[in-house]
Amino acid sequence: DGGITQSPKYLFRKEGQNVTLSCEQNLNHDAMYWYRQDPGQGLRLIYYSQIVNDFQKGDIAEGYSVSREKKESFPLTVTSAQKNPTAFYLCASGRQAFDEQYFGPGTRLTVT
Amino acid sequence: KNEVEQSPQNLTAQEGEFITINCSYSVGISALHWLQQHPGGGIVSLFMLSSGKKKHGRLIATINIQEKHSSLHITASHPRDSAVYICAVLGGGADGLTFGKGTHLIIQP
Repeated sequence: DGGITQSPKYLFRKEGQNVTLSCEQNLNHDAMYWYRQDPGQGLRLIYYSQIVNDFQKGDIAEGYSVSREKKESFPLTVTSAQKNPTAFYLCASGRQAFDEQYFGPGTRLTVT
Repeated sequence: KNEVEQSPQNLTAQEGEFITINCSYSVGISALHWLQQHPGGGIVSLFMLSSGKKKHGRLIATINIQEKHSSLHITASHPRDSAVYICAVLGGGADGLTFGKGTHLIIQP
């Protein structure tokens, strides 16, 4: 049963703490992406990776970091430097860069 | 940078009605995506198209490259079609997809 999983679905953290969001895919896709969604706004690209051990900043990378050590996994760390971390985070993957994308269920992060 | 505008922002219709959601963009693109987001937040890719028309079940997507415009149509709408429909474009100088803000559709029984 192929797909993309994100965990956890809901995450609560105190301000000043780093937090890592998980994204795993078993679709054998080369490309993976992290997006942020805020109420009333379109999705915005945080980071993307076209291949293992390589990734590029998207439009709003400040305060975030990623790694791509395995093809299946693309974790996102929200650091304490991110000024407004509370948001809905979506991970996606695709066969190649910017081909049709398949989305995970998302993680809703609340930082207080 | 590409500007992606969707209309309407909100749409409420009765079951069975024909639905049209529009998307326009400002800069030439290589492809356009239509996505569906349900209340739980998960997103499903409906179509990716670069020209002409695609059909899947009761859903039809069209694109006019010259006019920089795409439409998503739903025939015989049903309450389960209630969701946010998002248009996203690829190309036009941006890294990755540029997303519209979405159209919130409610189909009443």
